[in-house]
Amino acid sequence: QVTLKESGPVLVKPTETLTLTCSVSGVPFRNARMGVSWIRQAPGKALEWLANIFPDDTKYYRESLKSRVAISRDTSRSQVVLTMTTVDPADTATYYCAVDYFDPSGAVGYFEYWGQGILVIVSS
Amino acid sequence: SSGLTQPSSLSVSPGRTASITCSGDVLARQYGSWYQQKPGQAPVLVMYKDIERPSGIPDRFSGSSSGTTVTLIIRDVQAEDEADYYCQSADITGDYFFGTGTRVTV
Repeated sequence: QVTLKESGPVLVKPTETLTLTCSVSGVPFRNARMGVSWIRQAPGKALEWLANIFPDDTKYYRESLKSRVAISRDTSRSQVVLTMTTVDPADTATYYCAVDYFDPSGAVGYFEYWGQGILVIVSS
Repeated sequence: SSGLTQPSSLSVSPGRTASITCSGDVLARQYGSWYQQKPGQAPVLVMYKDIERPSGIPDRFSGSSSGTTVTLIIRDVQAEDEADYYCQSADITGDYFFGTGTRVTV
């Protein structure tokens, strides 16, 4: 059974750094095309992809957030960590991690499994 | 443009067919996927590679693609299908895009 679970602070002050952890289990990372993404959703808004990381340590970032976001993984703990610096109230959102299948040569990328999400509020 | 545009809302009667469109330039060269999201829940993949249905998704759900538009089709709509639906695609550069979302009311 595939499970992903997000953890981290629920309240962060503006200008602080947000660190979120995704704990993954039961995922058959069959090949280098299966990775983990972070996606967020502000209240009442659409989904927004942030970043992903693959088994060979390839990483991709949302262009507009590249200077503030970093993704890393701890293979021994089956965890993927997202760090976001200098947070702002506009970063208030539910943050999801998801299993990501990306095959650029096959023209495809999608999110096969999702965590339950964690609501992070940025407020002083 | 890399944006994906969807109608904001759609109302459909039980037993009828709902068609949700998603348009964007990236869809001319990349596959599209669809997610269903019910209130307070995480999204669920209901379609990938335009027309492929994950296991566990009812065969009432199907997909189609033409040019820069992908469409999610729900036949024999049930009350349980009421949700927000998002299309999504990924560019060859590793950039991912979500649609603006469509609220389906049954």
